Amino acid sequence: AQSVTQPDIHITVSEGASLELRCNYSYGATPYLFWYVQSPGQGLQLLLKYFSGDTLVQGIKGFEAEFKRSQSSFNPRKPSVHWSDAAEYFCAVGGTSGGSNYKLTFGKGTLLTVNP
Amino acid sequence: DGGITQSPKYLFRKEGQNVTLSCEQNLNHDAMYWYRQDPGQGLRLIYYSQIVNDFQKGDIAEGYSVSREKKESFPLTVTSAQKNPTAFYLCASRRGGGDSPQPQHFGDGTRLSIL
Repeated sequence: AQSVTQPDIHITVSEGASLELRCNYSYGATPYLFWYVQSPGQGLQLLLKYFSGDTLVQGIKGFEAEFKRSQSSFNPRKPSVHWSDAAEYFCAVGGTSGGSNYKLTFGKGTLLTVNP
Repeated sequence: DGGITQSPKYLFRKEGQNVTLSCEQNLNHDAMYWYRQDPGQGLRLIYYSQIVNDFQKGDIAEGYSVSREKKESFPLTVTSAQKNPTAFYLCASRRGGGDSPQPQHFGDGTRLSIL
């Protein structure tokens, strides 16, 4: 069964510092990997996705991530964090569950605080 | 602009009352989903629907019901049997059916509270 674990509940960084978000994935043969970002009181916005092909993916808000199959990782990085990046970030893995339906399993989120 | 509209943004329920949360999408997406979000819990799947007139229970369906009579609409009813309904509810949709690896798109949510 697919699963995701976000090891960092809360991260605090200074504005201008670099950032890497972490998620541990367990998935089947074909990984469908996603990261979403959520501002307070809002819905989720797609940050990055990986299905197949080029393992280095560019996302929104200046984030990029590299899929590393040997490490089961797809961790977003940003070289210089902006105050507007403060939000909660969720990783998710997609796949099938008994049949051809498609569901996402979400991590519990990482809350990012950015200090001025 | 295409998107997902959830209404109302805030909703209050009295004890013993059923309430219905609306979710409408004009993206022509086949699949629609309802999630519940509690602090520190991430998103948990309540119900999902791959096609009109068909839907499946998610991980926490007890106390909830849905219908999918139209492709663009997927309302969620929180019944009186749901003893802890206070949460943030998110609706999502996805293009394509079956194993299509398309991402889900989310509405802005409805916050439900108990009076």
